[in-house]
Amino acid sequence: GAGVSQSPSNKVTEKGKDVELRCDPISGHTALYWYRQSLGQGLEFLIYFQGNSAPDKSGLPSDRFSAERTGGSVSTLTIQRTQQEDSAVYLCASSPSVSYNEQFFGPGTRLTVL
Amino acid sequence: EDQVTQSPEALRLQEGESSSLNCSYTVSGLRGLFWYRQDPGKGPEFLFTLYSAGEEKEKERLKATLTKKESFLHITAPKPEDSATYLCAVRVSNDYKLSFGAGTTVTVRA
Repeated sequence: GAGVSQSPSNKVTEKGKDVELRCDPISGHTALYWYRQSLGQGLEFLIYFQGNSAPDKSGLPSDRFSAERTGGSVSTLTIQRTQQEDSAVYLCASSPSVSYNEQFFGPGTRLTVL
Repeated sequence: EDQVTQSPEALRLQEGESSSLNCSYTVSGLRGLFWYRQDPGKGPEFLFTLYSAGEEKEKERLKATLTKKESFLHITAPKPEDSATYLCAVRVSNDYKLSFGAGTTVTVRA
């Protein structure tokens, strides 16, 4: 079946602009996770959703970052007033539920802030 | 704080030359240890989950093992297509996120 999809695959933006990154989880998966992978650093957890609810936002690096999920499916990660340090690959993962251990990743969105 | 350390950072192998990757972890209440494979420009691909010390899992030329402090990923008689970055991650009880190590980049030469 179809895996996790993310769009766009690449995004180049100018410092100070807002960007939206989209994640389409595997059909039927209620848990959705966002991670960030920067050069020289491992994957860093940002936020997770159970259904449309985000109980843990502690991983978001600043208040410029926000995420939402509607209809228990598609999620959008928004970064306002982008900075150069936001440049990274943003990865989305999903699983059947939060109690399910394995997480299945999408291909990622490579964000470059000039 | 949960810590996951992978070694070596990079591994260059000749085709057929078996080797092992290490993942050591310091966590309270391990719920699961995970191995992923990541190819350049792609997302991590799930390989294995290990839950308790002594457990082993195998898939083709890969075998993962777990002790109370570390996990090993053994690559037997590797082929060039096994070239990738291998990521180790842990999940602890009462938490939902995966905590990843920095990865080991494996290059297998024909």
